Amino acid sequence: LAKTTQPISMDSYEGQEVNITCSHNNIATNDYITWYQQFPSQGPRFIIQGYKTKVTNEVASLFIPADRKSSTLSLPRVSLSDTAVYYCLVGDEGNTGKLIFGQGTTLQVKP
Amino acid sequence: GAVVSQHPSWVICKSGTSVKIECRSLDFQATTMFWYRQFPKQSLMLMATSNEGSKATYEQGVEKDKFLINHASLTLSTLTVTSAHPEDSSFYICSVSRGNTEAFFGQGTRLTVV
Repeated sequence: LAKTTQPISMDSYEGQEVNITCSHNNIATNDYITWYQQFPSQGPRFIIQGYKTKVTNEVASLFIPADRKSSTLSLPRVSLSDTAVYYCLVGDEGNTGKLIFGQGTTLQVKP
Repeated sequence: GAVVSQHPSWVICKSGTSVKIECRSLDFQATTMFWYRQFPKQSLMLMATSNEGSKATYEQGVEKDKFLINHASLTLSTLTVTSAHPEDSSFYICSVSRGNTEAFFGQGTRLTVV
């Protein structure tokens, strides 16, 4: 499973757009990129997943450049409730669901 | 998505006793479930893969005799921490996956060993 690198922490203010970039230089051809959100004392929650270009859902957007060696999670107009740890993971369709988490990015949204 | 329920949400036990944590997949029959452990301010660490009807597969460094996993049905996996000690105090989380790396996690169980 490819290793990922993210900033350890980020600060933002309410209403701003937040972009969290993840580096995954050794991503394999069959790997997908998935982002999870975790609040304190809760299990992680799936946010978004993509393979290439751009994916958007009701929560976030995921931008993936052509070389797929990095990806950017974009959270539009964050609120205080978006304060959480965000994890970027890569893996392929055929894997068993075994996930290896990196250190994640702690996002602190301030009023 | 799949709904995963863990029980209990938190437990306090005395050193030397055993504690069982249940993980249920409420709307999906899971032949495989996963158990993670998370210490304060740290990331999730995969402990083991729970396989329905067969032995669990443990990650390197995880003691299989200390962390007993049973996956007797397609909707239930249990993790028993045997002879718990204070260093076993942690946040234990289970997950179910439908492949493609999209996993669904339980709410976690906070174990405190005193």
